[in-house]
Amino acid sequence: AQRVTQPEKLLSVFKGAPVELKCNYSYSGSPELFWYVQYSRQRLQLLLRHISRESIKGFTADLNKGETSFHLKKPFAQEEDSAMYYCALRGSGGSNYKLTFGKGTLLTVNP
Amino acid sequence: DGGITQSPKYLFRKEGQNVTLSCEQNLNHDAMYWYRQDPGQGLRLIYYSQIVNDFQKGDIAEGYSVSREKKESFPLTVTSAQKNPTAFYLCASRDRGYQETQYFGPGTRLLVL
Repeated sequence: AQRVTQPEKLLSVFKGAPVELKCNYSYSGSPELFWYVQYSRQRLQLLLRHISRESIKGFTADLNKGETSFHLKKPFAQEEDSAMYYCALRGSGGSNYKLTFGKGTLLTVNP
Repeated sequence: DGGITQSPKYLFRKEGQNVTLSCEQNLNHDAMYWYRQDPGQGLRLIYYSQIVNDFQKGDIAEGYSVSREKKESFPLTVTSAQKNPTAFYLCASRDRGYQETQYFGPGTRLLVL
């Protein structure tokens, strides 16, 4: 079974402060991890994926297999980062057809 | 972004009524998915289809049905057996290549009268 846990339902920070959205997963094989973001009145969209090792909109995320985590980080939060963030896992082999999502974290960046 | 469309944007269902949500994509993707999004629950998979004329149940398929007669279309029917249908429904599609990610539609909000 595969599971994704986002321990924080709500996260509030001030503009310019660092932000970290936590994601832990449970999967016995080699997973692929993603962060999806949903801005107000916009569709859910991919923010980044671990295999790309890229930085999107200043966000980065490193897969830590030892801690089974894939936390999303940004050193200086902006007001436009306010959104719902979902961590998602795709399994390998026969279970690579679907994504398993966490319950999401609503990030609010205050001015 | 505009490659996946869902209609209608809002849908109202009466007790005992079946309703059908439309999902169309012009991305030439093989796989299509239906998710249900509830506050505090994240996204949960209802049904998915990896190829035309084939589909499988997801994690919460009870009270729902689908068809996949065309590659571009994957309609979801919410039947009267679904006792708590009020939710936001998201359709997604993906190329069958392993590296491809899922692309989501704008969603349909279903409300019960």
